[in-house]
Order: sequence, then C-alpha cells, then structure tokens
Amino acid sequence: GENVEQHPSTLSVQEGDSAVIKCTYSDSASNYFPWYKQELGKRPQLIIDIRSNVGEKKDQRIAVTLNKTAKHFSLHITETQPEDSAVYFCAASTSQGGSEKLVFGKGTKLTVNP
Amino acid sequence: DTAVSQTPKYLVTQMGNDKSIKCEQNLGHDTMYWYKQDSKKFLKIMFSYNNKELIINETVPNRFSPKSPDKAHLNLHINSLELGDSAVYFCASSQDRGLGAFFGQGTRLTVV
Repeated sequence: GENVEQHPSTLSVQEGDSAVIKCTYSDSASNYFPWYKQELGKRPQLIIDIRSNVGEKKDQRIAVTLNKTAKHFSLHITETQPEDSAVYFCAASTSQGGSEKLVFGKGTKLTVNP
Repeated sequence: DTAVSQTPKYLVTQMGNDKSIKCEQNLGHDTMYWYKQDSKKFLKIMFSYNNKELIINETVPNRFSPKSPDKAHLNLHINSLELGDSAVYFCASSQDRGLGAFFGQGTRLTVV
C-alpha cells in the first residue's frame, strides 16, 4: 500500500523567512496530493493541493511542487508569519479495492518566531 | 453555516461503555469519512462511505461500527470502549473519493 514520508517533523523559522516541508510517496499511481494545516485544537484544513499533471501550483505565499519521477512533493511558505505556526500534513491519494483514499504523512510542526 | 459538524465535541467515558459520535455535512458531498488522530497527531482513515455505501474499511476493530442513514450523515458507534480508543475522531467529506476532504471540528474521546 501507499506510504507517505514527511520531513522534517519539526521546523522553526524566524518571521519573514521561508519554510519548506518535503514528502515522498511510494505508489506511482498516486495522482492527487493535498496539504493540510492544523492549528492547535482545531480541525485540519485544506490549504493547497496539486494533481499529477501539474508540476507546481501557487496561492499567494504558499506553493507546492511535485516531482513525479522522484515521487516527492514539497510545500513552500514564503514570508512566514506567526499565524503560519501549526502542524502541516501532506497526503497522497491511493487506490484500494477499486476506491480511492488519502494516506497522510506524520505531520510537521512549524513554529514561526516573531 | 458549519460545513461538516460532529457531536459531541468532547466525550469522557468509562472502559466498557458504548458510545456514538454523530456527523452531518451540508456540502452536498457524496463521500464521507471517519479519521482517527492519535496522541502523536497521526491521521489515519478508518472508514469511507460513498452515497451511503461502505467503500473503505481499514483494519479497525469490529467494535467500531459506522452507519450512514443518508449521504449527508455518517455516525460512528463504538462498543466496549478501551483505553486505547482515546483519540480525536474526525469526520470529513469530499466531493469525490480520494479528493481533498473537509473536516469536522473533531470529537476528543477520553476513555478512563
């Protein structure tokens, strides 16, 4: 089955710096890769996603890149702000028994220091 | 309006009890899920339903029984609760299978 590895598990940056979180996946048939942000005590929220026919996608300060050959994808946050502090999860879609499901990485705790 | 709502938000109960968590979505989505988030924050799918039909059932003890009366509701009943069941349970929905899911606010279950 699909295995998603996420690194680093914790990341601390200064306000204004960039942050990069990386994920690798094992199922070459995976074709959808969302990223979630979870603030303390809150629900995971979808912040950006990318499909396998696209190499990069941007939304203001957030961008995601995908390398299908290497089976890895990354989240880039520029000009970080304290409110970006949260746990970020990557995920990859995979087929199981004719259906699709998301497999999540173990999360990265991002701390943005003012 | 809350898109995916689940109740209760907190649930404290004794070992051996039976409890239910309810979930409703008003997004018109066809697919609903239950996820478990353990103390290490690891998110793992438990069940997935599409139009009231069970499509994914991960390796979950059969003490956990989901029920979908209609495509807007997916409830989770847990029998004979154990200490290891303590976690946050998230309901979620998506327009299609495997796509980005919208999560409910979670139910923090504590078994004592």
